[in-house]
Amino acid sequence: RKEVEQDPGPFNVPEGATVAFNCTYSNSASQSFFWYRQDCRKEPKLLMSVYSSGNEDGRFTAQLNRASQYISLLIRDSKLSDSATYLCVVNIRTGNQFYFGTGTSLTVIP
Amino acid sequence: GAGVSQSPRYKVAKRGQDVALRCDPISGHVSLFWYQQALGQGPEFLTYFQNEAQLDKSGLPSDRFFAERPEGSVSTLKIQRTQQEDSAVYLCASSPAIGVRTDTQYFGPGTRLTVL
Repeated sequence: RKEVEQDPGPFNVPEGATVAFNCTYSNSASQSFFWYRQDCRKEPKLLMSVYSSGNEDGRFTAQLNRASQYISLLIRDSKLSDSATYLCVVNIRTGNQFYFGTGTSLTVIP
Repeated sequence: GAGVSQSPRYKVAKRGQDVALRCDPISGHVSLFWYQQALGQGPEFLTYFQNEAQLDKSGLPSDRFFAERPEGSVSTLKIQRTQQEDSAVYLCASSPAIGVRTDTQYFGPGTRLTVL
């Protein structure tokens, strides 16, 4: 069983739409959570950390549900430039291993 | 400022050949990670360094893989007797922080290895 599971998509949405991605993790000892963005043939870049209370950064909102062991990312008012693969990342308390999901592909259509 | 750099950016190797991949982390960053990313997959953890100490190598897929960071800055990932299944992008990331609450990792552009 993979540590982090994501729906690979693809998600194809029109400009201006709201889209949500979910990610589940298997290890209850997971301590830190992140969303990274990866453009085609580029390296991953941190989009945002995910805090227990939930957090927002402009059009992006991340939430964590420890009881159900899932993380979500909500993108409002989608832009063409949001087209990318979104990677869910989890850090396990006992070490420095970071587990990445397979990524969810998003394409925003004009 | 300078980010994480990796070299070479592309490497084609014949099966059985040894390869060495280099990572130059951001200056002063304590933590350094190596990942392997196969096509259509997320990065898979290989190994972690805190300064020059290799604290976790549990992700290295076989004893053909070896990583070092002798002076706590530049790191080299070596793959001996390469196999076709080693074909992937090898990503290096560095972070200024240490410990389990390490936060932002800054990734290099990766080395795309193709084994023929």
